[in-house]
Formats: sequence, structure tokens, C-alpha cells
Amino acid sequence: KQEVTQIPAALSVPEGENLVLNCSFTDSAIYNLQWFRQDPGKGLTSLLLIQSSQREQTSGRLNASLDKSSGRSTLYIAASQPGDSATYLCAVDSGAGSYQLTFGKGTKLSVIP
Amino acid sequence: GAGVSQTPSNKVTEKGKYVELRCDPISGHTALYWYRQSLGQGPEFLIYFQGTGAADDSGLPNDRFFAVRPEGSVSTLKIQRTERGDSAVYLCASSSDLSMANEQFFGPGTRLTVL
Repeated sequence: KQEVTQIPAALSVPEGENLVLNCSFTDSAIYNLQWFRQDPGKGLTSLLLIQSSQREQTSGRLNASLDKSSGRSTLYIAASQPGDSATYLCAVDSGAGSYQLTFGKGTKLSVIP
Repeated sequence: GAGVSQTPSNKVTEKGKYVELRCDPISGHTALYWYRQSLGQGPEFLIYFQGTGAADDSGLPNDRFFAVRPEGSVSTLKIQRTERGDSAVYLCASSSDLSMANEQFFGPGTRLTVL
């Protein structure tokens, strides 16, 4: 059974700092990995999707990398802003006929002005 | 519509009652998913549809939970004889294809509270 772990559970940084969020998964046979953002009381916003054949994806100040063989992904946020404060969730799609996503518990990020 | 919509946004009910939660996916998306998120946890998969049929319902916790998608668009999640442990945010997502990309887009969720 796929398990996804996100470390740290919470992170507080001053505005302008670069930061890295970590995600690990136990079964390396994945189809893709998605990073989401969740604001309090809201749904999930898709940030980046990395297919299993890819190593990284970039969108603006966000860069996500994938090392499938070691079961790891990182989300890099450059020049953090207070508006980046949210919970960031990592999820893997293990395919195999079922396209369900398995989520980690998330990292709660606070960017202090 | 522009995104996935869910109604109601909040639902408060009493233990033992029946509830229905609705999801309207992004127009043209053939795949639809339901997840449940408890406080402090990541979402957990319940069921997914490809078109009108439930392709995988392995995440439904018991037979009190049922979902339908009769015309391949809107879906309804139905919960019978609700229990306090059913309280959670129910999230719906849709995607345009079942290729390796399969990016899922989520709605705002329905917060269910069972008293």
C-alpha cells in the first residue's frame, strides 16, 4: 500500500527566503506526482504535476523535482511571500488501473512579513 | 463552468439522517473523483467514475456510502444513516483523461457535520 510522508509538518520562514518542502513515498511505481496548495477552509489548488518520466517541473517561483527511484520529491519556493502561506500537499497517482491519489498530511507554511 | 463546483458548501445534519452531496465537474471532464478529508489529514480516496460507471469504489468505507453519476457529468455522493464519524470535508475532483498526465482539479468541498 502506497504511503506518502511530508516533512516538516510545519515551517515558518521570513519573507524573501527560499525554501524546500519534502515529500517521500514508499512505492516507486507511480504514474505521476502532484503538488497542491490548500488555504484554510478551501479546496485544493493544483500547483505542479510531474509525470513519472519527468525529473522536474517549473511554474513561476515554484520548482518541483522528482526522484522516482528513491521515492522522493521536493517543492522549491523561491523568494517567499506572505501570500505563499498555506498548507502544501503532495499526492501520488500509482495508476495500475486506479487513478486515485494518495496524499501526505501536508506541510503548513507560514511566511512572516 | 470554469471549475469544479460542489453544493452545499456546508451541511449540518443529525445522526441517523440521510444526506446527499453534489459535484459538478469541469465541462468535458470524463473522470470524476470523490475524496474525504478529516481535520489535519490529507484527503483520502473514496470512489472514481469514468463516464457513468464507478471504475473504482474501493475507498468507500462501508455500504452506507454510495455515489452515482447517471449522465456522466454531475455526481451525487449519498450517505445513509449518518454517524458522527462521517463528519469531514468531502472533496470532488475531475480530470480530462486517464493518460499518465491525469491532472486532477478539485472543488471547494462540502463540510459535513453530523451532530
